Amino acid sequence: AQSVAQPEDQVNVAEGNPLTVKCTYSVSGNPYLFWYVQYPNRGLQFLLKYITGDNLVKGSYGFEAEFNKSQTSFHLKKPSALVSDSALYFCAVRDLRGFKTIFGAGTRLFVKA
Amino acid sequence: GAGVSQTPSNKVTEKGKYVELRCDPISGHTALYWYRQSLGQGPEFLIYFQGTGAADDSGLPNDRFFAVRPEGSVSTLKIQRTERGDSAVYLCASSLGTITYEQYFGPGTRLTVT
Repeated sequence: AQSVAQPEDQVNVAEGNPLTVKCTYSVSGNPYLFWYVQYPNRGLQFLLKYITGDNLVKGSYGFEAEFNKSQTSFHLKKPSALVSDSALYFCAVRDLRGFKTIFGAGTRLFVKA
Repeated sequence: GAGVSQTPSNKVTEKGKYVELRCDPISGHTALYWYRQSLGQGPEFLIYFQGTGAADDSGLPNDRFFAVRPEGSVSTLKIQRTERGDSAVYLCASSLGTITYEQYFGPGTRLTVT
């Protein structure tokens, strides 16, 4: 069965420092991977996705993620964190066998000024 | 343009009652999804519509839950004989297509069963 793990409940980083939010997945076949962000009192917003091609994908607000097939990971990164990046981040996976999208439990990112 | 809208934003009901939750997707989006999100958890897939038909309802927890999308646009999630364990935020999302397309989420309906 497909699954997603976000091993950190919370990530703390100082403004201006690089950030990484970790995600590992388990799926049969080729995965389609997504990152979404949830700001307080707002709906989930799409950040970026990996479908095929270049392992490094770039998305909204300066975020990027690296797909690593051998480690079954899709970590979210940003070179320089902003206080406004503080939010709840979800990794998600879906596979070719169906339409179900499986979300991780989420990682809360806290960026300190 | 307008995003995904959901009504009501909050719903409080008594155990055993029937509730309907509505979702208006983005115009032109053929795919529509329902999720349930409990506190501290990620969204949990319930059902997926492609057009008017439910292409995947494997996430519906039991036969008390049912969803329709009769004209391929607005969808209604229906819950019969509500239980306290049904309390959660119910999210709706739509997308232009399937599998490789990102989803656009509504603000959710917070359901509280007392």
